[in-house]
Amino acid sequence: AQKITQTQPGMFVQEKEAVTLDCTYDTSDPSYGLFWYKQPSSGEMIFLIYQGSYDQQNATEGRYSLNFQKARKSANLVISASQLGDSAMYFCAMREGGYGGSQGNLIFGKGTKLSVKP
Amino acid sequence: GAVVSQHPSWVICKSGTSVKIECRSLDFQATTMFWYRQFPKQSLMLMATSNEGSKATYEQGVEKDKFLINHASLTLSTLTVTSAHPEDSSFYICSASRFYTIYFGEGSWLTVV
Repeated sequence: AQKITQTQPGMFVQEKEAVTLDCTYDTSDPSYGLFWYKQPSSGEMIFLIYQGSYDQQNATEGRYSLNFQKARKSANLVISASQLGDSAMYFCAMREGGYGGSQGNLIFGKGTKLSVKP
Repeated sequence: GAVVSQHPSWVICKSGTSVKIECRSLDFQATTMFWYRQFPKQSLMLMATSNEGSKATYEQGVEKDKFLINHASLTLSTLTVTSAHPEDSSFYICSASRFYTIYFGEGSWLTVV
């Protein structure tokens, strides 16, 4: 079974609108971390946001927020007020082990390609 | 600013030669670094975990004699692709853990001709 599932291969959003990128995860470890990365066409992986499994509140970083629903094992990324520069691949990832996923390697989903329309 | 630096960004080498890619953690010590490979339009595939002062741990199916990893210091890990062949052409990217977050280098595009 896949550990990280991103069901949207591609998404379109109008500039200035909000968009939600879906991510579900599967783990039996009570301690883990969830991450979102942005990968533009240049290839670099840009860290966006982190959510620890013990965090009570949803993580937010500027225009990015993570809708963490632990019982549903989902960690959707919400981008508010989309910009043209947001067009990129977005990867959801999980890290198991250590407190809040502080150890071990990242397990990635297959990614979602977001295209922002002017 | 960048937290992890990777060099070179682009490299073209002849088939049969070796190429070295460096990954440096900037302003912090990384006892563990990770090396990934990414094929076009696919996700990142973990190749190996690099541990400072000890041998790397390779994922199943990754040839350790072909992809040599050395983590000689707390800020530097290197990946050497030995006797490169065209099928080794790919995007290679490293990462390092700082607190709860894993940061990535800029990645290296390798083309073997």
